[in-house]
Amino acid sequence: DQQVKQNSPSLSVQEGRISILNCDYTNSMFDYFLWYKKYPAEGPTFLISISSIKDKNEDGRFTVFLNKSAKHLSLHIVPSQPGDSAVYFCAASYNDMRFGAGTRLTVKP
Amino acid sequence: NAGVTQTPKFRILKIGQSMTLQCTQDMNHNYMYWYRQDPGMGLKLIYYSVGAGITDKGEVPNGYNVSRSTTEDFPLRLELAAPSQTSVYFCASSYSDSNYGYTFGSGTRLTVV
Repeated sequence: DQQVKQNSPSLSVQEGRISILNCDYTNSMFDYFLWYKKYPAEGPTFLISISSIKDKNEDGRFTVFLNKSAKHLSLHIVPSQPGDSAVYFCAASYNDMRFGAGTRLTVKP
Repeated sequence: NAGVTQTPKFRILKIGQSMTLQCTQDMNHNYMYWYRQDPGMGLKLIYYSVGAGITDKGEVPNGYNVSRSTTEDFPLRLELAAPSQTSVYFCASSYSDSNYGYTFGSGTRLTVV
């Protein structure tokens, strides 16, 4: 069963605009949510996280929003840059960490 | 500043062969993990370890074995390789629990033919 879902396999945005990546989860026991970024031929790298007791966490151009009632989180990247082009994985943890299938973001110059 | 190192990067196995995927980390992390990623799927946890001498099954442990004799090393053993084990394998480590994010290796692409 897929407890963490990223329903958009890909997203394309123009440089300078906002990128919004979405993630849904089903297990209400998850208490921490994370976003990872992955470039080709590399392992995922940790980007930003949020505790279930918060609804927003910001780090520079990256902001993660959590809506617990909707079991939904999103990652906002503002402004988007060509170097942000990568696959973004949403993850949620309780006893272990579960990952979504990823969204490939392409930022066009 | 090596982080998590995985070897080999690529490998082709014949059905029924066995091999060990190596993983070592130099950050003195207690927790280590093995994930596999199939095309179009998220990473799935195979095995994990919370410290030397302690291992436990994850979501998809069948067909694999692990050991953790030292803090640094966490090898993954494939016995009797099957085509269903064709995947990209990632090793990861973390200082304590998952809330701090994992450090991943660059992966091993395994093909079983």
